[in-house]
Amino acid sequence: NAGVTQTPKFRILKIGQSMTLQCAQDMNHNYMYWYRQDPGMGLKLIYYSVGAGITDKGEVPNGYNVSRSTTEDFPLRLELAAPSQTSVYFCASMHSGNQPQHFGDGTRLSIL
Amino acid sequence: RKEVEQDPGPFNVPEGATVAFNCTYSNSASQSFFWYRQDCRKEPKLLMSVYSSGNEDGRFTAQLNRASQYISLLIRDSKLSDSATYLCVVNRDIYGGSQGNLIFGKGTKLSVKP
Repeated sequence: NAGVTQTPKFRILKIGQSMTLQCAQDMNHNYMYWYRQDPGMGLKLIYYSVGAGITDKGEVPNGYNVSRSTTEDFPLRLELAAPSQTSVYFCASMHSGNQPQHFGDGTRLSIL
Repeated sequence: RKEVEQDPGPFNVPEGATVAFNCTYSNSASQSFFWYRQDCRKEPKLLMSVYSSGNEDGRFTAQLNRASQYISLLIRDSKLSDSATYLCVVNRDIYGGSQGNLIFGKGTKLSVKP
């Protein structure tokens, strides 16, 4: 089972460039999440979605955008990369409320 | 009180030791509780859910005290492979977790030595 798949695994960007982090799940989960984790720190929620066509901001949404056109995919867009966005990004999905979340193996992003 | 609070550690223990992690949470309406494990530079992985009656999975035992808003994880006969960061996780939503937003503690680091 593929579970939650994130691409790319690593990326280096220059300041001001844009990119899309891809996340796909094959478990037919309604809920999907994007987190960032800075070194030595906890997970911070960027955006989440409770179903196709529905997205909402988490605690650190500035500088990011998301879309959810299908149940399977939940891409995260960085429009103008800044050094403060250097982090590890995790995508997660969940079947329904009160269930645990399942994580992809992350995208390590450096902005120089 | 922070939403989810854990002792950051590190806990340095010898193989075979018993180690206990504690966690407190602030939202008395939280309904779902989990322990996750995160290895260095890896994604968090579900270790176990925590039920009101307490639950056990092999060497791991989780307990929940709703009155004190306190969760614990006990690891018996610790192995080298148990070395990781253990995350206490609680759902945020007030109305029964319909949105499934989870609050992750910053984690407690465990290092098991030979």
